[in-house]
Amino acid sequence: GENVEQHPSTLSVQEGDSAVIKCTYSDSASNYFPWYKQELGKRPQLIIDIRSNVGEKKDQRIAVTLNKTAKHFSLHITETQPEDSAVYFCAAIGGGFKTIFGAGTRLFVKA
Amino acid sequence: NAGVTQTPKFQVLKTGQSMTLQCAQDMNHEYMSWYRQDPGMGLRLIHYSVGAGITDQGEVPNGYNVSRSTTEDFPLRLLSAAPSQTSVYFCASSQSIPGGPDTQYFGPGTRLTVL
Repeated sequence: GENVEQHPSTLSVQEGDSAVIKCTYSDSASNYFPWYKQELGKRPQLIIDIRSNVGEKKDQRIAVTLNKTAKHFSLHITETQPEDSAVYFCAAIGGGFKTIFGAGTRLFVKA
Repeated sequence: NAGVTQTPKFQVLKTGQSMTLQCAQDMNHEYMSWYRQDPGMGLRLIHYSVGAGITDQGEVPNGYNVSRSTTEDFPLRLLSAAPSQTSVYFCASSQSIPGGPDTQYFGPGTRLTVL
C-alpha cells in the first residue's frame, strides 16, 4: 500500500542554524504534500504545503521542495528559533484522497 | 466558526465495551478523516469520507466503524474496545478543490484509554 518515509526521526540544531527534514512517498498518484507542526499535547497544524505542479514554495523562514521524479520532498527551516521545537509531520495525498503521514521528526532547537 | 470539534476529550473504557467518538465541523467541508496517533508512529488513517454517504477504509480500519449521514458529522465507533486501541484520536476536515482535498483542519483530539 501507500507509504511515506520521513527522516530523521530526531534532529537537534543550534539556534540560528538550518534544519532539513526529508520525506519519500510511494504512490506516484500523490499530488498534494502538506507539512504539519505539532506541539506537545496540541493538534497538528499546517505550516506549509506544496502541490505537484510546483517545485518549490517559500514562506518566510520555511520552504518546501518537491522532486516528483524521485518521489521525495523536503522541509527547510532557516534561522531556527527555540519556538520551532516541536514534532513535524509530512504527508502525501494521492488520487484516492487518502492522506498518508510520515512517522514524524522531533526537532530540538538549542538556545 | 467553531471549526472541528471532538467529544469527549478523555475517555476510559474497559475491554469489550463499545463507544462512539463524536466529530463535527461547521465549515461545510466535504472531506473528513479519522486518525489515531500512537507514540513514535505518527498519524495513521483509520477511515475517511469524501462526502455525505461515502466512506472508505484507511491504513488501520479494523475494530472501527464510521458513517457519514450529514456533511457536518463523522462519528467513529469502537465495536469492542481492546487495549491496543489505547491512543489519541484526531478528526480532521478539509474542503475539496480541483484535483483533491485542500488544507486539513484538525480537531483537539480524544485521549482514549482501554483497560
